[in-house]
Amino acid sequence: RKEVEQDPGPFNVPEGATVAFNCTYSNSASQSFFWYRQDCRKEPKLLMSVYSSGNEDGRFTAQLNRASQYISLLIRDSKLSDSATYLCVVMGNSGGSNYKLTFGKGTLLTVNP
Amino acid sequence: GAVVSQHPSWVICKSGTSVKIECRSLDFQATTMFWYRQFPKQSLMLMATSNEGSKATYEQGVEKDKFLINHASLTLSTLTVTSAHPEDSSFYICSARAIRNEQFFGPGTRLTVL
Repeated sequence: RKEVEQDPGPFNVPEGATVAFNCTYSNSASQSFFWYRQDCRKEPKLLMSVYSSGNEDGRFTAQLNRASQYISLLIRDSKLSDSATYLCVVMGNSGGSNYKLTFGKGTLLTVNP
Repeated sequence: GAVVSQHPSWVICKSGTSVKIECRSLDFQATTMFWYRQFPKQSLMLMATSNEGSKATYEQGVEKDKFLINHASLTLSTLTVTSAHPEDSSFYICSARAIRNEQFFGPGTRLTVL
């Protein structure tokens, strides 16, 4: 089983649509979870951290279910500028080399006018 | 979010030369920085973890003598690709760990070895 597995995509949606990304991780000891977005030929940019209580930032909502080792990202009212690759990212335990991030392969989203 | 800079943003060099890439955290101190490599249409691959004041930890399959890492201060880590060859051509990205374990990435360095 891959360490971090995401929907393979790609997703093509019209402007205004709601899009949901799913992600599962294999290491139950993982401590921190994030969603990043990466535009073509650019670096990843942190979109939001993900907490067990769930968190929302404007049109973006992230959820974490530790029991099922599942992470999700919901984008409401999608905009053209949301077009990017969305990366599910997991970090191990704190301390030592466990700060390292494990990336999913990413899901490409294209929002069409 | 926190700002991480990387320099140079792109470099073209001849085979056999060495290339040094700098990564700086501009508005925070980072005891841990990371170096990644990304080939076209592939995921980021962690190369090494750079800890301030100590030796870097390399991932399996990454040659430590070829990819020299120095983390001399809390705001600067450098990666030197020694005796670069065409197969080293890639997009090299650093990241710095901030509070709450969030990592912020530099804009990347596109290396082309002729």
